[in-house]
Amino acid sequence: GQQVMQIPQYQHVQEGEDFTTYCNSSTTLSNIQWYKQRPGGHPVFLIQLVKSGEVKKQKRLTFQFGEAKKNSSLHITATQTTDVGTYFCADTSYNTDKLIFGTGTRLQVFP
Amino acid sequence: NAGVTQTPKFQVLKTGQSMTLQCAQDMNHEYMSWYRQDPGMGLRLIHYSVGAGITDQGEVPNGYNVSRSTTEDFPLRLLSAAPSQTSVYFCASSYRRATGNTEAFFGQGTRLTVV
Repeated sequence: GQQVMQIPQYQHVQEGEDFTTYCNSSTTLSNIQWYKQRPGGHPVFLIQLVKSGEVKKQKRLTFQFGEAKKNSSLHITATQTTDVGTYFCADTSYNTDKLIFGTGTRLQVFP
Repeated sequence: NAGVTQTPKFQVLKTGQSMTLQCAQDMNHEYMSWYRQDPGMGLRLIHYSVGAGITDQGEVPNGYNVSRSTTEDFPLRLLSAAPSQTSVYFCASSYRRATGNTEAFFGQGTRLTVV
């Protein structure tokens, strides 16, 4: 079945350092979405990638979709304490109608 | 706009009890879904619906029932609660498109403890 894995599971960084989380699928992804969940909160949508090789930026966040549409990454430049939370990727499969989430990467930023 | 409203926010059940988690959205979204979140396990899909009268199983459907009689509401029923169902439950909704679902909006979550 559909499996979406994320690495690392957990990372802590010093404020100002960069951070990257990787999303890998056992099957070809339809579209990929990224969400952020603050501690104690609910997931909040960040962005959607649709095309093979697509790259999108939101201020310090850079999102990439792999050429083969089997992986994606989120890179944060110069982390801030406000970046703390868990980052999830999700596959929006138009074949199965399911929205399947990755296992998530929990980011801790120390000042 | 209220968005996605989940009730209750907290619940303690005894093993064997049944209950319904409520979810309502006011955005006229076709797609609604229920997830459970456990430490280290991410968000796992329980059941989902692509429209009124249509429901289907997700990754972990056992022990849960759903129905979708209206576009707005998508309740989740625990038939006979077990300690393994202790978790945080999220309801989500989105539009459906030919290229896949649009961004999902989540409720605030229900923290359920089964003792």
